[in-house]
Amino acid sequence: AQSVTQLGSHVSVSEGALVLLRCNYSSSVPPYLFWYVQYPNQGLQLLLKYTSAATLVKGINGFEAEFKKSETSFHLTKPSAHMSDAAEYFCAVGNSNSGYALNFGKGTSLLVTP
Amino acid sequence: DAGVIQSPRHEVTEMGQEVTLRCKPISGHDYLFWYRQTMMRGLELLIYFNNNVPIDDSGMPEDRFSAKMPNASFSTLKIQPSEPRDSAVYFCASSLRQGDGYTFGSGTRLTVV
Repeated sequence: AQSVTQLGSHVSVSEGALVLLRCNYSSSVPPYLFWYVQYPNQGLQLLLKYTSAATLVKGINGFEAEFKKSETSFHLTKPSAHMSDAAEYFCAVGNSNSGYALNFGKGTSLLVTP
Repeated sequence: DAGVIQSPRHEVTEMGQEVTLRCKPISGHDYLFWYRQTMMRGLELLIYFNNNVPIDDSGMPEDRFSAKMPNASFSTLKIQPSEPRDSAVYFCASSLRQGDGYTFGSGTRLTVV
């Protein structure tokens, strides 16, 4: 079985401030981990992925995430928030036992204030 | 590449009517997924296919829901009869291999009144 928990359904940051969105996972075998972003009335877009290579993963739009096995975490960060980063962010987990199916977290809505 | 294409973008139907949602995956992607998104339940996997064969349909809510993939470039999700609680955004996604992640379509917003 596999699951993810996203801590904080809403996060608010000031423009230029650090963005930190939290994701903890549960997986009985080594996981694949993903972060997706969803803008209003659009589908989900892949931000970055971890698939057992480097533990620090860089994605699009300046985002990165670090896989920490000891903490079962995969938090998403960005050094400086832009207004355009305001969106819904989803963490997802899969593993070899699940085939190709991913389980998604409930999502975190990021608000960026001027 | 045009990405994953879903139609229609919006569908409003009356309770009891049949609804058919359509999806064209990215060419060459052997895996196709149907998800449902609601405020209450988030993103739920309904069913996924590999090489046009259904692999896991355990997420299909009930017998009113059915999905087919007659060929590599087309899939449908059908609800018959539809109910108000089926109102949600339905996403189709495709994937080339495990670990690549999915490419999502823009979704179909279904409203059943």
